[in-house]
Amino acid sequence: EVQLVQSGAEVKKPGESLKISCKGSGYSFTSYWIGWVRQMPGKGLEWMGIIYPGDSDTRYSPSFQGQVTISADKSISTAYLQWSSLKASDTAMYYCARRSRYFDWFDYWGQGTLVTVSS
Amino acid sequence: DIQMTQSPSSVSASVGDRVTITCRASQGISSWLAWYQQKPGKAPKLLIYAASSLQSGVPSRFSGSGSGTDFTLTISSLQPEDFATYYCQQANSFLPLTFGGGTKVEIK
Repeated sequence: EVQLVQSGAEVKKPGESLKISCKGSGYSFTSYWIGWVRQMPGKGLEWMGIIYPGDSDTRYSPSFQGQVTISADKSISTAYLQWSSLKASDTAMYYCARRSRYFDWFDYWGQGTLVTVSS
Repeated sequence: DIQMTQSPSSVSASVGDRVTITCRASQGISSWLAWYQQKPGKAPKLLIYAASSLQSGVPSRFSGSGSGTDFTLTISSLQPEDFATYYCQQANSFLPLTFGGGTKVEIK
């Protein structure tokens, strides 16, 4: 069974750093792209970027380029999303999702990680 | 960027109703479109891919159609578990992938 399991909710202060994770299982982790999607409170879905764990090839949405870093450790089948300096506007639910093998839709999703940034 | 515009933003319907949601792309995307369902507090779920292909395990009352710039998601007979928010997503270009604004299907 394909599963993406994300790390737990985080509460941080502005200016702090953060790295959240997404662990894949039940499939060949290195053979599928993993994307990250933001959902701000009460709002829609925004694609942030995507990584191919096989070679760490990474693409970012222009809206998120320079704001976050996406990485992966294929030895432990885990993808990451990190911030070096959080802002209150980063408060949101963050989902990881597996891109289908050959096309740019997402067939499996993690359960989401809620990030709250507040002073 | 390819902009995706969904309409309506919300719809009130009763169990058994036929519900249609539309999605328009700002430029042609062939059939590179997916539909997702999201229930409150849950992750999105893939319903339809390639504009009209039903994802495994999704009930046949869901269907998708369209190509180019205009697409439709239809629920033929609304069930209680279908009350949710639905999003379209263009899958034509990585740079960047974009979602529609969502359509909330509410109980009348």
